[in-house]
Amino acid sequence: QKEVEQNSGPLSVPEGAIASLNCTYSDRVSQSFFWYRQYSGKSPELIMSIYSNGDKEDGRFTAQLNKASQYVSLLIRDSQPSDSATYLCAVNKNRGSTLGRLYFGRGTQLTVWP
Amino acid sequence: GAGVSQSPRYKVAKRGQDVALRCDPISGHVSLFWYQQALGQGPEFLTYFQNEAQLDKSGLPSDRFFAERPEGSVSTLKIQRTQQEDSAVYLCASSPRTGGNNQPQHFGDGTRLSIL
Repeated sequence: QKEVEQNSGPLSVPEGAIASLNCTYSDRVSQSFFWYRQYSGKSPELIMSIYSNGDKEDGRFTAQLNKASQYVSLLIRDSQPSDSATYLCAVNKNRGSTLGRLYFGRGTQLTVWP
Repeated sequence: GAGVSQSPRYKVAKRGQDVALRCDPISGHVSLFWYQQALGQGPEFLTYFQNEAQLDKSGLPSDRFFAERPEGSVSTLKIQRTQQEDSAVYLCASSPRTGGNNQPQHFGDGTRLSIL
């Protein structure tokens, strides 16, 4: 079982719609959760971080964390064509020998069509 | 520059050659990470430095892979006797303090390595 699972997609939504991206993780001790956006041929860019249960909003982005269900999601409101990218979910366990290491999902490819 | 800088951006090598990939982290960042990203996959952890100390190298796939950060700033990832399965994008990331939680990592644009 992989540490972090994501639906690889592709996910396709029209401009202005809400895009919903999901991620599950296997280790309950995981403490920090991140969403990165990666354009083709570019580096991952951090767009959201979340550390406690509930919702965290930043502009058009909302991250949701449910530790009991080991589930993290990212909502993108009013999706724009420029949001078309691969979204990577990453988890940090912050424990012992794995301190600092990020575990990534394989990414979900999002396409927003005009 | 303000971000993490990696060089070269692209590297083509013949199977069996040695390669060296360079990472220049954000100035003052204590923690430095190397990841390997295969096509269509998420990044996979290779190794972690806190200043000049290599605290975790458990992700290095074989003893052909070696990383160093002798002065606690620039890091080099070396791959000896390259194999075709080493073809991937190698990403470097840095973060301001020690590798605890709540430390976002900032990534460079990576080196795309192709082994012929």
